Amino acid sequence: DGGITQSPKYLFRKEGQNVTLSCEQNLNHDAMYWYRQDPGQGLRLIYYSQIVNDFQKGDIAEGYSVSREKKESFPLTVTSAQKNPTAFYLCASSISYSQTGANTEAFFGQGTRLTVV
Amino acid sequence: AQTVTQSQPEMSVQEAETVTLSCTYDTSESNYYLFWYKQPPSRQMILVIRQEAYKQQNATENRFSVNFQKAAKSFSLKISDSQLGDTAMYFCAFMKQGGAQKLVFGQGTRLTINP
Repeated sequence: DGGITQSPKYLFRKEGQNVTLSCEQNLNHDAMYWYRQDPGQGLRLIYYSQIVNDFQKGDIAEGYSVSREKKESFPLTVTSAQKNPTAFYLCASSISYSQTGANTEAFFGQGTRLTVV
Repeated sequence: AQTVTQSQPEMSVQEAETVTLSCTYDTSESNYYLFWYKQPPSRQMILVIRQEAYKQQNATENRFSVNFQKAAKSFSLKISDSQLGDTAMYFCAFMKQGGAQKLVFGQGTRLTINP
């Protein structure tokens, strides 16, 4: 089945540690995104990538890093510089305009709940 | 930069009633897409409906329809014959057509359908 998979579902991080959240898609989508969601709030864009080996900062990129070495994968690292990392993280992907001449909706993974302990 | 605003943090209606969720956006782009996503308690994001800005006709999907007013930059969602399963957070979202594909979300509206 085609889809987008995030792992793990729950992640615990100690103070000062870096952690990496996995996001994999088999939808052949060029574009991928990382969002952060805090309780009762909307989705804030961390990073997005339109093509392999290229990515752009979103609205809250500080304390986060990403890579896009493969089309299928867009891992997010939460570094120790992120002072308040406890949140729900959502990964998404979509067909890009460059692929079809039209955008389409984003498909989402099931999310990773990160907690600092 | 594009922004999306949902002015209703919470709404509550009785089952079978009709409810309208508001969304406004700000952009200088002419060609773009607008979306409504639903996030139930499972937290899985589900696409409800999509509208292309170049289309004058309002999108509809079964009990869900939109009122797209391009000049006013307004994109409201109407849910008819509301059901208990419609209880969820609803997010309005904007994506520019072409170029830097940044999908921008509003703050969300928590909708509760009461039996």
